[in-house]
Amino acid sequence: DTGVSQDPRHKITKRGQNVTFRCDPISEHNRLYWYRQTLGQGPEFLTYFQNEAQLEKSRLLSDRFSAERPKGSFSTLEIQRTEQGDSAMYLCASSQQPNQPQHFGDGTRLSIL
Amino acid sequence: EDQVTQSPEALRLQEGESSSLNCSYTVSGLRGLFWYRQDPGKGPEFLFTLYSAGEEKEKERLKATLTKKESFLHITAPKPEDSATYLCAVQGGSEKLVFGKGMKLTVNP
Repeated sequence: DTGVSQDPRHKITKRGQNVTFRCDPISEHNRLYWYRQTLGQGPEFLTYFQNEAQLEKSRLLSDRFSAERPKGSFSTLEIQRTEQGDSAMYLCASSQQPNQPQHFGDGTRLSIL
Repeated sequence: EDQVTQSPEALRLQEGESSSLNCSYTVSGLRGLFWYRQDPGKGPEFLFTLYSAGEEKEKERLKATLTKKESFLHITAPKPEDSATYLCAVQGGSEKLVFGKGMKLTVNP
């Protein structure tokens, strides 16, 4: 069990640029979740996949955000035309069954200049 | 809408001073209540899942309990290494977790 891996750990970019994050879940987990966490808050749900199917998206996920999981393994989260308010920690989690614990990676911290 | 409220927001304890953290929740159809620990700059680390009222789980100095409206995380004789932010989350009709804001625990030696 190598855990959930996220890359990069830190990303600094200028406002208006596009950024992409990658998440590699625990290998036998077919469910993959994306959350966003800002300072002093708990994680907020963005979207989740069962295998390659994206089954739910939060209202937080504006049309500038897109997530994919093309082969049901790793996932990418892209933010287009970044804004100051996008600065946050982006967390990925995976689980084996719907009501089993979700195991988190250490996140990608995004800073918008 | 599912909601989670954690109290207190921050807690300072002396080493060995036991206490409890509260997590109040409203959810339509509880699938599970989850406790996580989060260290600075890290992702949440899973501690416990509770599925039904009356259930209890223990791990080292931590014990989690669940009623129909709230959960408690009891910390017995804490050590400085227990210092962290403790997060409570519920899973209701959807697979998403709804988190509280967390409770920052500091244990002084």
